[in-house]
Amino acid sequence: NAGVMQNPRHLVRRRGQEARLRCSPMKGHSHVYWYRQLPEEGLKFMVYLQKENIIDESGMPKERFSAEFPKEGPSILRIQQVVRGDSAAYFCASSPGQGVLGEYGNQPQHFGDGTRLSIL
Amino acid sequence: DAKTTQPTSMDCAEGRAANLPCNHSTISGNEYVYWYRQIHSQGPQYIIHGLKNNETNEMASLIITEDRKSSTLILPHATLRDTAVYYCIVRVASGGGSNYKLTFGKGTLLTVNP
Repeated sequence: NAGVMQNPRHLVRRRGQEARLRCSPMKGHSHVYWYRQLPEEGLKFMVYLQKENIIDESGMPKERFSAEFPKEGPSILRIQQVVRGDSAAYFCASSPGQGVLGEYGNQPQHFGDGTRLSIL
Repeated sequence: DAKTTQPTSMDCAEGRAANLPCNHSTISGNEYVYWYRQIHSQGPQYIIHGLKNNETNEMASLIITEDRKSSTLILPHATLRDTAVYYCIVRVASGGGSNYKLTFGKGTLLTVNP
């Protein structure tokens, strides 16, 4: 499967614990995006990363949430001290890098099947 | 990014063509139209995108009006597995700024009936 891989598919945490969500982009993709889907709502952008760089985290809650995309390994979305309101589906997407001339700018983002986080 | 308007829901008979409309009357000249769908419990699946010419791939066809204020996604022979929420998204596809963000509205729930 050459698609975007997310794990775990389901994650259960108790209030106050940490949740760690992983995303491996499609082969050849160097840009990663995280989105959150609250129950009965549409997907909302959270953060955009390139290797070792956070490009835009304007959609991330100011506290408890962090994201990284290290030189080696998957992208990680980390939620510290989880609360009930963090229960949601978290989706990762990836796309090819933006060429110098922006020639990859119209490349679509491809999504994984998400991690469903439940907080007890 | 331009705002889009889609019907809340639509029905289609299995084997028939499904035509999903989208209005984007405030679209700019450098904005593309993207279509995604989300089948229950799965991530959004990219379907097709276009700028001003009609596009076709193995999944669907995209018809964009000449003034680009609306478009139609066509699934030529709908199957039960095409039951999903379909999202029409407009965004700038090059240059700087925050054009990489996809803004998902409520989409259209397409139900394909046997």
